[in-house]
Amino acid sequence: DTAVSQTPKYLVTQMGNDKSIKCEQNLGHDTMYWYKQDSKKFLKIMFSYNNKELIINETVPNRFSPKSPDKAHLNLHINSLELGDSAVYFCASSPGGGALDTQYFGPGTRLTVL
Amino acid sequence: SQKIEQNSEALNIQEGKTATLTCNYTNYSPAYLQWYRQDPGRGPVFLLLIRENEKEKRKERLKVTFDTTLKQSLFHVTASQPADSATYLCALANSGNTPLVFGKGTRLSVIA
Repeated sequence: DTAVSQTPKYLVTQMGNDKSIKCEQNLGHDTMYWYKQDSKKFLKIMFSYNNKELIINETVPNRFSPKSPDKAHLNLHINSLELGDSAVYFCASSPGGGALDTQYFGPGTRLTVL
Repeated sequence: SQKIEQNSEALNIQEGKTATLTCNYTNYSPAYLQWYRQDPGRGPVFLLLIRENEKEKRKERLKVTFDTTLKQSLFHVTASQPADSATYLCALANSGNTPLVFGKGTRLSVIA
């Protein structure tokens, strides 16, 4: 029973391409997140959605566009990929959106831009 | 500027000893602090949450302290085992409605 799942696990692509990463949670949580973990291992929040509504957008380039078709799904679309986008992207969910909530992370998607 | 620092990138310890990891912060007034474990190739897994009015929290062999005067949290793994080897991340938030901010983590290696 996978709680938070992401596809694909690995993504290798050329600069300039457009790609999407999908995320689904079966925990019934209201809030979902996208995090980026770079080569220095910093885990940084990019977006959070609460019940399909964007709550947090942390100065992410507008080439990144999250989409939440329903509260169990949060997809990330990236346009015009750049070398600096190479990182591991984690999806997470939590029951509410507060800092008291435990966050449940997916397995990550390792994106490599060549 | 705001900073979260986990004192060392890596910590090696002999099996059976207590590992102590440090999380220091600057220019935050965190109401909550969480600790996560991350294994290679996997997402972080929640371990413990401690609030600003709590001095200490325990879960099995894990203990977390939170000193808002020193602006520091300590994470202890007692009777450490090789299976405790992982990266441990601290994360804090100024209030219940603000997002968690993560430290870079400390990689703990427990040597048999």
